[in-house]
Amino acid sequence: DQQVKQNSPSLSVQEGRISILNCDYTNSMFDYFLWYKKYPAEGPTFLISISSIKDKNEDGRFTVFLNKSAKHLSLHIVPSQPGDSAVYFCAASNRNSGNTPLVFGKGTRLSVIA
Amino acid sequence: DAGVIQSPRHEVTEMGQEVTLRCKPISGHDYLFWYRQTMMRGLELLIYFNNNVPIDDSGMPEDRFSAKMPNASFSTLKIQPSEPRDSAVYFCASSFRWGGNQPQHFGDGTRLSIL
Repeated sequence: DQQVKQNSPSLSVQEGRISILNCDYTNSMFDYFLWYKKYPAEGPTFLISISSIKDKNEDGRFTVFLNKSAKHLSLHIVPSQPGDSAVYFCAASNRNSGNTPLVFGKGTRLSVIA
Repeated sequence: DAGVIQSPRHEVTEMGQEVTLRCKPISGHDYLFWYRQTMMRGLELLIYFNNNVPIDDSGMPEDRFSAKMPNASFSTLKIQPSEPRDSAVYFCASSFRWGGNQPQHFGDGTRLSIL
């Protein structure tokens, strides 16, 4: 029973174009969402987060959009750069009901082609 | 600042042997998490500690797995006896005051291969 789903295992994008990574969740109690980036042989690193009281959060080239009614969030990277090639994990938690653990999706491998 | 430090980075051992993975969290962090990453299941939370006390170990797959945190700067994950299906990358992560804008910081993982 996967509560956080990243249905695209991989994505290829040309350098300079927009990368859009998608994530769906099933638990309506989730109220905090995060994206992590992972390079080979390294641990995941925090990229950007969004609270359920917002529908958009932006940090430089990275923007996360949240659609609560659809239980969907997406990460936009504009413009994409070769250094963005990595595996991206979506994660969610419920902070209002105590400290619930992060639930991770299986990840999407992004390849940015020069 | 030093991040989360895990050792060893790679471990290859034979089935039936005891395996001990080690983690040093970021100083001052009061939460510590152990995860396992596999192709099939992605990142799974195994167990987490708050102020050195295990809070939830429901993710530990079997009694062969155990974890301890004897002090704020050290934790171990032990598998005894190990089996080939335990082969995976094991990550340790720590955070300060879970909640709010306090993301978890991950170590670089231990790649475990059980032959």
